[in-house]
Amino acid sequence: NAGVMQNPRHLVRRRGQEARLRCSPMKGHSHVYWYRQLPEEGLKFMVYLQKENIIDESGMPKERFSAEFPKEGPSILRIQQVVRGDSAAYFCASSPRPNEQYFGPGTRLTVT
Amino acid sequence: SQQGEEDPQALSIQEGENATMNCSYKTSINNLQWYRQNSGRGLVHLILIRSNEREKHSGRLRVTLDTSKKSSSLLITASRAADTASYFCATDAEGGGADGLTFGKGTHLIIQP
Repeated sequence: NAGVMQNPRHLVRRRGQEARLRCSPMKGHSHVYWYRQLPEEGLKFMVYLQKENIIDESGMPKERFSAEFPKEGPSILRIQQVVRGDSAAYFCASSPRPNEQYFGPGTRLTVT
Repeated sequence: SQQGEEDPQALSIQEGENATMNCSYKTSINNLQWYRQNSGRGLVHLILIRSNEREKHSGRLRVTLDTSKKSSSLLITASRAADTASYFCATDAEGGGADGLTFGKGTHLIIQP
């Protein structure tokens, strides 16, 4: 059973472009979490999704950020019109049930 | 990959007692972080300790770090029912980047009223 996969691992975008980050959960996992990590800081929760549903998006910025977890395919975190402050590592985790989290290797987004 | 190993995997104590969880890791780190997860919610960052620090306090939390043994402990004093959760350690490896943060599988803490 492959682990949680994220791609791309590194993403460079110019200011104003869109960034799409993908997370493929482990087989059989129906819960996905997204986190953002700024340098030298801890993870900050962004959003929690189950298949086709957003359960908790209390950590998502109100504008430009969106997430989805469709019935088929990976979960997508989309950042529109990126700004320099969006540069960070974005981690997703999947779980088969609450209270378990298996983390992906992260995507490092750099906005130039 | 999950290099942090929390110990024990599960812990049940009486309210008011202290709870201690341990974490071991394998590679050199920049910092080590502890997180809590309540049922069905995302992780909440509790405390970060840098590799040149040995102990850190935050409220009822006390974290120690022993880089020679590659281990850390999280102590919760005077536990409360609301402390019932899973606790994860995560290491931010030297060199940073998207590979820098790896998590253990967690300790499930139950506080009995």
